[in-house]
Amino acid sequence: QKEVEQNSGPLSVPEGAIASLNCTYSDRGSQSFFWYRQYSGKSPELIMFIYSNGDKEDGRFTAQLNKASQYVSLLIRDSQPSDSATYLCAVDNTNAGKSTFGDGTTLTVKP
Amino acid sequence: KAGVTQTPRYLIKTRGQQVTLSCSPISGHRSVSWYQQTPGQGLQFLFEYFSETQRNKGNFPGRFSGRQFSNSRSEMNVSTLELGDSALYLCASSTGPGNTGELFFGEGSRLTVL
Repeated sequence: QKEVEQNSGPLSVPEGAIASLNCTYSDRGSQSFFWYRQYSGKSPELIMFIYSNGDKEDGRFTAQLNKASQYVSLLIRDSQPSDSATYLCAVDNTNAGKSTFGDGTTLTVKP
Repeated sequence: KAGVTQTPRYLIKTRGQQVTLSCSPISGHRSVSWYQQTPGQGLQFLFEYFSETQRNKGNFPGRFSGRQFSNSRSEMNVSTLELGDSALYLCASSTGPGNTGELFFGEGSRLTVL
């Protein structure tokens, strides 16, 4: 079992729809959770982070964390073609000084 | 504020050669992590340096090595290149220690091994 698993994708949604990206992790010592966006041919950039159970909203993005279920998700509302990218989930275990990435989910938003 | 700078951006080598990649972190960042990204394996952690010390290492053979200088700049070296080493090598800096927290990535060095 991989330490961080994401929807295999690819995920395709129409413009204006909600895109839902999911991530599960195996290390219960994980403390911080990050979502990075990577456009084709570019490097990853951080778009959201969440530390506590519940929801965290930032514009059209909402990160959701459930530590009991070891599950973190990213919702993108009113999806735009410019949101088409690969989304990487990263999970930190600060005590271990380690950050682990999932393989990513590729999202395509169709006009 | 300048971002993370990686050089060279592109390079082509042949099997058996060696390569050295360079990374200059964001000013004030003392942690530098290196990742290998391939379509089949995703983003794989190579190693992390903080204050010139390697703190963490991923599951890569000893052909992959690195170091960090007193100004926090880092280099990674791959010796005896194999075809499977063809990948995008990404460097990420953070305030550290540990490659945790927000990571700022460079544009990467794309290595092709022929």
